[in-house]
Amino acid sequence: AQKITQTQPGMFVQEKEAVTLDCTYDTSDPSYGLFWYKQPSSGEMIFLIYQGSYDQQNATEGRYSLNFQKARKSANLVISASQLGDSAMYFCAMKSGGSNYKLTFGKGTLLTVNP
Amino acid sequence: DVKVTQSSRYLVKRTGEKVFLECVQDMDHENMFWYRQDPGLGLRLIYFSYDVKMKEKGDIPEGYSVSREKKERFSLILESASTNQTSMYLCASSNPGQPSYEQYFGPGTRLTVT
Repeated sequence: AQKITQTQPGMFVQEKEAVTLDCTYDTSDPSYGLFWYKQPSSGEMIFLIYQGSYDQQNATEGRYSLNFQKARKSANLVISASQLGDSAMYFCAMKSGGSNYKLTFGKGTLLTVNP
Repeated sequence: DVKVTQSSRYLVKRTGEKVFLECVQDMDHENMFWYRQDPGLGLRLIYFSYDVKMKEKGDIPEGYSVSREKKERFSLILESASTNQTSMYLCASSNPGQPSYEQYFGPGTRLTVT
């Protein structure tokens, strides 16, 4: 069975500082993919970044980077130079088990950026 | 930009009513999904569809059914709404042609069953 664990229910960061949101995963499938989504208070889930299990380099998208440590089964999201608009719920998710359709989501981390 | 729309942002229904939640995507995506989101539980998959008239159960299908008569539209049906179905419902779509298969979400429908 696939499982995603986000151990930080809430995180605080000062504006302009970097923050790391933790995500660990469990799967026996050698081929899998990891996603991060952002959910502002408006409710819509916004895709941020993707890492495939066979990708050699860590994924980056603007201020977002994914710190992928395969041996430790971790896929932490790093947000550099935090902005007030980064305050939101963040979800880690995984596809695996031979299905490209189904995502397993973690329970989320609520990030608050302080001015 | 991919656009996924849902018929209502907020909905209030009575116990026992039949409830329809509609989702429409405009990017010709093959796959569509319905999730429910509850505090502390994250997102849980109810049903998904990988083609017109095709559907598969997700992790929590009990009490729900779905319909996909057209590629762009995926409906979630609560046959007889109950108070434990009060939740945020999120629709999503994805394209198998994209390597990552990332899912694009609608704005959500917050359903309250009284």
